[in-house]
Amino acid sequence: GENVEQHPSTLSVQEGDSAVIKCTYSDSASNYFPWYKQELGKGPQLIIDIRSNVGEKKDQRIAVTLNKTAKHFSLHITETQPEDSAVYFCAASITDGLTFGKGTHLIIQP
Amino acid sequence: DAGVTQSPTHLIKTRGQQVTLRCSPKSGHDTVSWYQQALGQGPQFIFQYYEEEERQRGNFPDRFSGHQFPNYSSELNVNALLLGDSALYLCASSLATGGQPQHFGDGTRLSIL
Repeated sequence: GENVEQHPSTLSVQEGDSAVIKCTYSDSASNYFPWYKQELGKGPQLIIDIRSNVGEKKDQRIAVTLNKTAKHFSLHITETQPEDSAVYFCAASITDGLTFGKGTHLIIQP
Repeated sequence: DAGVTQSPTHLIKTRGQQVTLRCSPKSGHDTVSWYQQALGQGPQFIFQYYEEEERQRGNFPDRFSGHQFPNYSSELNVNALLLGDSALYLCASSLATGGQPQHFGDGTRLSIL
């Protein structure tokens, strides 16, 4: 089955700087790649997603890039703010069930 | 517009017991998926229900079963509970047409003593 690796496990950045989280997947048939943000005591919240026919997608301060040949995708957050502090998960899907990475704890330092 | 709602929020059971968790999908959604999230880990896919049938299943034993009702709400049942079943159980809903994206509820925290 699909396997998703996510790095780093913890990322600390200064407020206002950029943050990048990277994921690789194993199954070349995967065609949908969402990113979720999870705050303490809450369920995962979808922040951006990309399909395999697109190389990049942007939504204000958040962007995702996909390299199908290398089987990796990345989340970019610019101008980080304190409210960006959370655990971020990448995921990949072929049909319906999502396979998640282990998560990145993003810490925004004031 | 109500999002995905799950009940109960917390539950404590003992080994060997059985448990039922409930989920109401986001308004307009017809597909429900269930995930198990152990502490410090990413969610793991259990199964998905559409048109009251299990459509896809992850790597979970038969002790985990589910049901979807005509109003699209769903239940997750776990029999013969083990200590390792302690986790956050998440429900996600989506539209079958066009598939993703999946929207998650805040989960049920299940603790096994």
